[in-house]
Amino acid sequence: GAVVSQHPSRVICKSGTSVKIECRSLDFQATTMFWYRQFPKQSLMLMATSNEGSKATYEQGVEKDKFLINHASLTLSTLTVTSAHPEDSSFYICSASPPGTENYGYTFGSGTRLTVV
Amino acid sequence: GNSVTQMEGPVTLSEEAFLTINCTYTATGYPSLFWYVQYPGEGLQLLLKATKADDKGSNKGFEATYRKETTSFHLEKGSVQVSDSAVYFCALSRRGGADGLTFGKGTHLIIQP
Repeated sequence: GAVVSQHPSRVICKSGTSVKIECRSLDFQATTMFWYRQFPKQSLMLMATSNEGSKATYEQGVEKDKFLINHASLTLSTLTVTSAHPEDSSFYICSASPPGTENYGYTFGSGTRLTVV
Repeated sequence: GNSVTQMEGPVTLSEEAFLTINCTYTATGYPSLFWYVQYPGEGLQLLLKATKADDKGSNKGFEATYRKETTSFHLEKGSVQVSDSAVYFCALSRRGGADGLTFGKGTHLIIQP
């Protein structure tokens, strides 16, 4: 089945630094990947759509300069949280789906717990 | 716009009890509907899905029926186990799945022995 790997699973960084999170599709190619953010005891909010070979599409209210997305290959998308602040602390999750199966459910990575101190 | 509303928890049940978690949606067009489950410290796993009206999704004893007339997709299980304790999310696809998913707020289910 489709497998999505996310790395790292946990990261702690200092305020003002940048953190990169990777999302890989291990056994399929993904022209599109999605990045979500989950606050404690709350739902997942779609942040952006990562498009291979072109610019990401950001949801309303998401700062594109703070959350940089790069989809350089068909199996890798990265989310970089720039100049991180404590309010960026959250659980970030990516998802993808083999082409043609999007309407049947996405596979999610195991998530990255970001703590900014 | 699209939205998903589900009952908020926590929902606490005894083992072998009957489970219902309500989910209703608002959407343009004809979305696909999903239930995802999140175990502590883990990512989301697809539990079941339905892609058109009157479809019934089922998996691991859980069932949900796509009811277009009531815009609902309630999750049910006849006899829950302690291992079912998790957070359950109802979700719908946007534009045939091309735009990701819209999630409900999640329902924390606690099953006591």
